[in-house]
Amino acid sequence: GENVEQHPSTLSVQEGDSAVIKCTYSDSASNYFPWYKQELGKRPQLIIDIRSNVGEKKDQRIAVTLNKTAKHFSLHITETQPEDSAVYFCAASMNSGGYQKVTFGTGTKLQVIP
Amino acid sequence: DTAVSQTPKYLVTQMGNDKSIKCEQNLGHDTMYWYKQDSKKFLKIMFSYNNKELIINETVPNRFSPKSPDKAHLNLHINSLELGDSAVYFCASSQGSSGVDEQYFGPGTRLTVT
Repeated sequence: GENVEQHPSTLSVQEGDSAVIKCTYSDSASNYFPWYKQELGKRPQLIIDIRSNVGEKKDQRIAVTLNKTAKHFSLHITETQPEDSAVYFCAASMNSGGYQKVTFGTGTKLQVIP
Repeated sequence: DTAVSQTPKYLVTQMGNDKSIKCEQNLGHDTMYWYKQDSKKFLKIMFSYNNKELIINETVPNRFSPKSPDKAHLNLHINSLELGDSAVYFCASSQGSSGVDEQYFGPGTRLTVT
């Protein structure tokens, strides 16, 4: 089955600096890579996603890159703000037998220090 | 206008008891999921249903039994609760069949077994 590894597990940055979270996946059949943000005590929510036919996608201060050959993808947050502090999960998704199968990474706790 | 709702939000019970968690989505999605998030924040898929049919059943003790009376509802019944069952349980839904669909999470149910 799919295996998703995520690094680092914790990340502290100064406000205004950039943060990068990296994930690798094992199954080349995965074709959709969402990123979820989970604030303390809240539900995970999608912040950005990328499909396998795209190498990079950007939405304001957030960008995601995908290297299909190396099977890794990354989340980049620029000009970090205290409200970016949360746990971030990457995921790899595929169509398996006509159904969606999603495998989550282990999460990165991001702390933005004011 | 809650998209995915769960009840109860908190559940405190003793070892050996049987309890249920209910989930409902009003998004018209075909696929629903149960995830377990432990104290280390790992999000682990437990079950997935598509149109009331079980499609994913990860390695979960058979004390856990999901039930989907219709495609808008997916309930989780847990028998003979153990201390290790303490976690936050998230229900989620997605359109489901294409492999590239966002997952919408419920608010979570924090289960504490004493």
